[in-house]
Amino acid sequence: DGGITQSPKYLFRKEGQNVTLSCEQNLNHDAMYWYRQDPGQGLRLIYYSQIVNDFQKGDIAEGYSVSREKKESFPLTVTSAQKNPTAFYLCASSQGLAGAPDTQYFGPGTRLTVL
Amino acid sequence: AQSVAQPEDQVNVAEGNPLTVKCTYSVSGNPYLFWYVQYPNRGLQFLLKYITGDNLVKGSYGFEAEFNKSQTSFHLKKPSALVSDSALYFCAVIPRGNKLVFGAGTILRVKS
Repeated sequence: DGGITQSPKYLFRKEGQNVTLSCEQNLNHDAMYWYRQDPGQGLRLIYYSQIVNDFQKGDIAEGYSVSREKKESFPLTVTSAQKNPTAFYLCASSQGLAGAPDTQYFGPGTRLTVL
Repeated sequence: AQSVAQPEDQVNVAEGNPLTVKCTYSVSGNPYLFWYVQYPNRGLQFLLKYITGDNLVKGSYGFEAEFNKSQTSFHLKKPSALVSDSALYFCAVIPRGNKLVFGAGTILRVKS
């Protein structure tokens, strides 16, 4: 987990609320990623960013938004439009561009629960 | 569709015995292949990767994986399992020019 921090570790959200998950890295990596993990489904890509001020949708972007104003930070907002947001959210970073064989390094995750 | 399959939801092995966690892939071209491990309520830890070259890749904590192009497989192995190896293991693939694709994961249980 070293080099990537996520906060909070646990987050509770009421229906209709937007919440923001924090991800910070000190690895000087260009690329950052957000994944959602549900039991038995592996990890699914929500958004990724290859460079500051640029990001692309992944496979399940609906109901989520991101920003990349700084190289080291890639916050994820879970909006009220996300119908089933309860999940474990993982942030990752890698040195190069997506599609290159660079290893992705993961943060410790945030567990989001909708009350 | 480009994908990776882990055919076993769970693998049980006795401590000290060899272990194998299976992974097969379906991608066009030559893929980049990875193994990660996840302990409960933690992020994923990188174990090893295959890019090119020797088909046997050695990684962290005594794990190794063998790339088999004809069988499109990348099975994870360890000669002697430890109880502390018990965790969730993910195989992943980067089809060239594309994003990382994960398998559903395999739970490894090592019993003493």
